[in-house]
Amino acid sequence: GDSVTQMEGPVTLSEEAFLTINCTYTATGYPSLFWYVQYPGEGLQLLLKATKADDKGSNKGFEATYRKETTSFHLEKGSVQVSDSAVYFCALISAGGTSYGKLTFGQGTILTVHP
Amino acid sequence: GEEVAQTPKHLVRGEGQKAKLYCAPIKGHSYVFWYQQVLKNEFKFLISFQNENVFDETGMPKERFSAKCLPNSPCSLEIQATKLEDSAVYFCASSQSGAGSNQPQHFGDGTRLSIL
Repeated sequence: GDSVTQMEGPVTLSEEAFLTINCTYTATGYPSLFWYVQYPGEGLQLLLKATKADDKGSNKGFEATYRKETTSFHLEKGSVQVSDSAVYFCALISAGGTSYGKLTFGQGTILTVHP
Repeated sequence: GEEVAQTPKHLVRGEGQKAKLYCAPIKGHSYVFWYQQVLKNEFKFLISFQNENVFDETGMPKERFSAKCLPNSPCSLEIQATKLEDSAVYFCASSQSGAGSNQPQHFGDGTRLSIL
C-alpha cells in the first residue's frame, strides 16, 4: 500500500540554522504531496503542496520539491525561527491505490528551535 | 464559514458511555474527512463523505463507530460504548473536491476525547 516515511525526530536547532526534514514515499501512480504543520494544541495547517514532478511548493520561507526519480519531498528552510517549533507531517493523496481519496501521513517530525 | 469548525474541543467520557463529535466543513466544500490521531502523532483515516453520501468508510471500526453528514447540519462522528483505546484527538477536514484530486484538505482544530 501507499506509505510515507519521514526522518526520525526530534530535531533541535538554534535560531537561524538551516532546516531539512526528509520525506520519501511509496505510492501508486502520481500522487499529490503535502507538508502540514501542527503547532502545540492546534490542528493541522497546510504548509505547502506540489502536484506533479519537479513542482516546488513554497510558503513562509519553507520549500519542498517533488522529486519523482527519488520519490522524495524534503522540506527545507534557510533560517528557522523559534516560532517554527512544531510537528511537521509529510502526506500524500494518490490517484489510485490505498491513498485514493484520503491522506496518508508520515509519522511526523518534532522540530524545536532554541533562541 | 471560512474554517472547519469542530465541537466540542474536549470531551470526557467514562468507559462504556457514548461520545458524539461534530464538524462543520468550510462552506462550499463537498468532501468531509474524519481522522483519528493517537499516540506518537500517528494519523488514521476513518471515513469520508461526498456531500451526505459515504465515500469511503474503510477505516471505520464498524461495531461502535458511526458517522453522518446530513443537509443543513454539522457532520457528526458517534462512538457507542467507548473504550479506553478510543482516547485520541479526532480531526475533521474538508476539501472542495475529493478523491484523487490535488485539492488540499483543510483541518479543524480537533476534538480531544478522553475515556476514563
